[in-house]
Amino acid sequence: DAGITQSPRHKVTETGTPVTLRCHQTENHRYMYWYRQDPGHGLRLIHYSYGVKDTDKGEVSDGYSVSRSKTEDFLLTLESATSSQTSVYFCAIRGLETGDEQFFGPGTRLTVL
Amino acid sequence: SQQGEEDPQALSIQEGENATMNCSYKTSINNLQWYRQNSGRGLVHLILIRSNEREKHSGRLRVTLDTSKKSSSLLITASRAADTASYFCATDAIREGGSEKLVFGKGTKLTVNP
Repeated sequence: DAGITQSPRHKVTETGTPVTLRCHQTENHRYMYWYRQDPGHGLRLIHYSYGVKDTDKGEVSDGYSVSRSKTEDFLLTLESATSSQTSVYFCAIRGLETGDEQFFGPGTRLTVL
Repeated sequence: SQQGEEDPQALSIQEGENATMNCSYKTSINNLQWYRQNSGRGLVHLILIRSNEREKHSGRLRVTLDTSKKSSSLLITASRAADTASYFCATDAIREGGSEKLVFGKGTKLTVNP
């Protein structure tokens, strides 16, 4: 998976609790992305980062925040999880030297009860 | 909103046959990419075609792009059971600042029967 790890890989939590998902890369790429994948919706962009402390919103950013304090780590936080945030979350990276191709992590399956 | 839409949603063929998937999109693009996703795994990049290209090959993959119709097709020749996966097209959007962001379609689920 191109030097990308995601943790945890699976998580079950309850509505209203905070949740943080971590994406870690060993490639030193500039761009990092968080997507969610749901049946019938495909892959949708939540937030992305184009450098340390530089982030921007995606298509479905409401209810999510991100932080990137180091090149290698991109954190996705659900401040107060809701059942509608039950999904599979994918992190992806892209580097200027790799062109426009994105490399994806293995995914985190999150269930909010 | 979804930029790319794949067609068909699902496709079932026999090993050795060719598989064709189509993608339509809405706005002007810099490039269009195809990705594969095996069940329970992350997406894997297959091929990228730029807006000034009409056709591109990679092994058993052939991608075409028709910018006038805002559509692309992915052809997998001589399919194998290992090609069973979901296939997604992804486009950037020039008006969205170029290739920093991709918008993915909902995918075509391909099943290749042995």
